[in-house]
Amino acid sequence: GESVGLHLPTLSVQEGDNSIINCAYSNSASDYFIWYKQESGKGPQFIIDIRSNMDKRQGQRVTVLLNKTVKHLSLQIAATQPGDSAVYFCAENDQSGSSASKIIFGSGTRLSIRP
Amino acid sequence: GAVVSQHPSRVICKSGTSVKIECRSLDFQATTMFWYRQFPKQSLMLMATSNEGSKATYEQGVEKDKFLINHASLTLSTLTVTSAHPEDSSFYICSARRGGISGNTIYFGEGSWLTVV
Repeated sequence: GESVGLHLPTLSVQEGDNSIINCAYSNSASDYFIWYKQESGKGPQFIIDIRSNMDKRQGQRVTVLLNKTVKHLSLQIAATQPGDSAVYFCAENDQSGSSASKIIFGSGTRLSIRP
Repeated sequence: GAVVSQHPSRVICKSGTSVKIECRSLDFQATTMFWYRQFPKQSLMLMATSNEGSKATYEQGVEKDKFLINHASLTLSTLTVTSAHPEDSSFYICSARRGGISGNTIYFGEGSWLTVV
């Protein structure tokens, strides 16, 4: 089936710098995308979402960009802090099945903060 | 506070036995819940969609007779791993959708660590 991402890269960022985490998705029919943060041993935590009729959405210190032409999603974290260290997953709302829509996760990116 | 609760958070069971994990929506009714499995350093893989009052919908490659899902009420879904083997050891995470099939507010539980020895 279609998937979002395929491997788990690591991004190392200096504290205070901006972080950009990228994600490629393959289901062009997806209408809703979400970024999650997962700390070690915990469940995913919602960060920000965006619908397919938008190309940018901003939250507190985070911005999500959506490029439907190339099926690319990115998460920008401003002024990265030690507490931002985690694995970040992009996810898409898959409506292609006959049952209720479901959230499919990408492979994730580990964000590491250098002091 | 958490709106989706999982229990137990950690469980160890012997190979060949069955173990049940509960997922509860604490302050809303969830007609749809989802079960994921996550191996170390990997992403969350959707196992099945749990529908209140009807059979679960399993993803391709997931054995429905091994991973029994029961969504008996609007606030509770259970995942039973039957005849567990060490390779079933994993982090199991549930989520619940608030608002029915068309709703998009999904809350995740804190996960349940299963270790099969």
